[in-house]
Amino acid sequence: DAMVIQNPRYQVTQFGKPVTLSCSQTLNHNVMYWYQQKSSQAPKLLFHYYDKDFNNEADTPDNFQSRRPNTSFCFLDIRSPGLGDAAMYLCATSREAAARSSYEQYFGPGTRLTVT
Amino acid sequence: SQQGEEDPQALSIQEGENATMNCSYKTSINNLQWYRQNSGRGLVHLILIRSNEREKHSGRLRVTLDTSKKSSSLLITASRAADTASYFCATSWYNFNKFYFGSGTKLNVKP
Repeated sequence: DAMVIQNPRYQVTQFGKPVTLSCSQTLNHNVMYWYQQKSSQAPKLLFHYYDKDFNNEADTPDNFQSRRPNTSFCFLDIRSPGLGDAAMYLCATSREAAARSSYEQYFGPGTRLTVT
Repeated sequence: SQQGEEDPQALSIQEGENATMNCSYKTSINNLQWYRQNSGRGLVHLILIRSNEREKHSGRLRVTLDTSKKSSSLLITASRAADTASYFCATSWYNFNKFYFGSGTKLNVKP
């Protein structure tokens, strides 16, 4: 019954070594999100997709890229991870907003990234 | 945070007591949502309140929204140890598909 799946749950990478985190969903939602959450902080929106339409947040570093090859999958690529990129990365999905109203987001369990 | 602040940052209560958390935000919104996050896990949606609503209930949860004060509160009645988690508010405003989270309240319910 898993709805939003993130792999891996834990990822260790070396400083400067590219890493890819993956997210898949069985909900057939149009909108997918990537958030970064550091310890004891709020989730910070990095970018979101509305279908294949990519929307980057203004303060998301260029080091972070994303791909959405189809409705079900979305990837977060960190090109050159720094120590400051160690965090929990959360993927979420949502139905597209309609009639001037948003819908709830469904979150995956997150991938905890460690940078050594 | 990107949109708002929550207070208190941390709250510790005994099982059976009520817990109240507040969220303040900076801009006009179209809706506000509350989420729960257990330690090291993803977030779970609790309740959504639209900007034209003042109060909503769901089980032991009661959410109020005061758009004139740009604030919302989440009340958990008769708390249980299983309610121990962090609680976040999230708002959307000009883009209904985008959400910004408050700083969160860490609730500890002691058995």
